[in-house]
Amino acid sequence: DAGVIQSPRHEVTEMGQEVTLRCKPISGHDYLFWYRQTMMRGLELLIYFNNNVPIDDSGMPEDRFSAKMPNASFSTLKIQPSEPRDSAVYFCASSFRPGKNTEAFFGQGTRLTVV
Amino acid sequence: GQQVMQIPQYQHVQEGEDFTTYCNSSTTLSNIQWYKQRPGGHPVFLIQLVKSGEVKKQKRLTFQFGEAKKNSSLHITATQTTDVGTYFCAGASGSARQLTFGSGTQLTVLP
Repeated sequence: DAGVIQSPRHEVTEMGQEVTLRCKPISGHDYLFWYRQTMMRGLELLIYFNNNVPIDDSGMPEDRFSAKMPNASFSTLKIQPSEPRDSAVYFCASSFRPGKNTEAFFGQGTRLTVV
Repeated sequence: GQQVMQIPQYQHVQEGEDFTTYCNSSTTLSNIQWYKQRPGGHPVFLIQLVKSGEVKKQKRLTFQFGEAKKNSSLHITATQTTDVGTYFCAGASGSARQLTFGSGTQLTVLP
């Protein structure tokens, strides 16, 4: 398996524009997580899905952020409109459980710069 | 909500010296995981601890889970330049599936 795949790897956009980040989890994984990483706030959980259903979105900063998982192999994180303070690295991660080990496998991340 | 604190934030060591990072949770954890993130990379899973007082070793790395399951540590013996990166602990409570990450310890190893 190729691991968790995120696209794009880098995104530079102007303030006010819509940004869509994409994630393909590892096949068979039933949990998908979106994280945001900044120097100031570290790694923050934004939202996570179980079997394509959003379980906890309490980490989503505001209504400008939305996430979907239309099927088991694809998820999107959308920011509309984007603001400079949204600049960060966004990671998608997936995990698989029936066992006890619940390690998260991270994608390479999308580095978002909003100017 | 659950908070996970990690210290120190930064650590510079000479190659060959030992290194330890500490993790403390505001709540009792069901398990704790450790991840390593190389500069410019993504977090990569190292290990999971589940039992109270558990100790696990991976070559030069020793991981401990406290008796009360609220704290943990990672100790690296005789650091090497390949150990450079940021080490994160991440905890889960109860039946919750989401991990709360600590702030990380950025390790620099000077040759």
